[in-house]
Amino acid sequence: DAKTTQPTSMDCAEGRAANLPCNHSTISGNEYVYWYRQIHSQGPQYIIHGLKNNETNEMASLIITEDRKSSTLILPHATLRDTAVYYCIASGAGSYQLTFGKGTKLSVIP
Amino acid sequence: NAGVTQTPKFRILKIGQSMTLQCAQDMNHNYMYWYRQDPGMGLKLIYYSVGAGITDKGEVPNGYNVSRSTTEDFPLRLELAAPSQTSVYFCASNNKGTSGVNEQFFGPGTRLTVL
Repeated sequence: DAKTTQPTSMDCAEGRAANLPCNHSTISGNEYVYWYRQIHSQGPQYIIHGLKNNETNEMASLIITEDRKSSTLILPHATLRDTAVYYCIASGAGSYQLTFGKGTKLSVIP
Repeated sequence: NAGVTQTPKFRILKIGQSMTLQCAQDMNHNYMYWYRQDPGMGLKLIYYSVGAGITDKGEVPNGYNVSRSTTEDFPLRLELAAPSQTSVYFCASNNKGTSGVNEQFFGPGTRLTVL
């Protein structure tokens, strides 16, 4: 699975959009980009995934660049409950393992 | 559905003791996983199973054993506890499906301290 690079931490004002970047420059053609988050020592929670196209669900939007070397997770209206560590993972369809790095600690500020 | 459940929530072991961490899921998932998370770090895969009777090693299997006799249960066994096994243990499950999408559902974790 391709290595991903994320900023260590970010702040976001409550009610504003949170844009979390991720670099995955060595991603291969069959690897999905996944985003999970972990709220204060709870089990990780799946947010969204994508392959080539941008994706949106009830939680977030995922923007993947055309060359697939980077992506951005967007939380459109961040709330205090969105404070968490966000993990960006690149993983192939045949892989069982999800490789969690250290992620980005997002702090939503009132 | 209860989802993925884990017991116990917390446990303190002495060096050399053994214990079994329990994991159960009620979503009829074929795939189950055990991860550990050390302080300030991401999760690392210990073992996984693609169905009853089938298990395989992940990234950090040493010091652990697993079994999968039913679809629902996937216990993790520590035989001779060591301080290096102090960690939070997460169990997860999913059905990968033909697309191979790996959306995993995680339990609440077991916090283990070995002294």
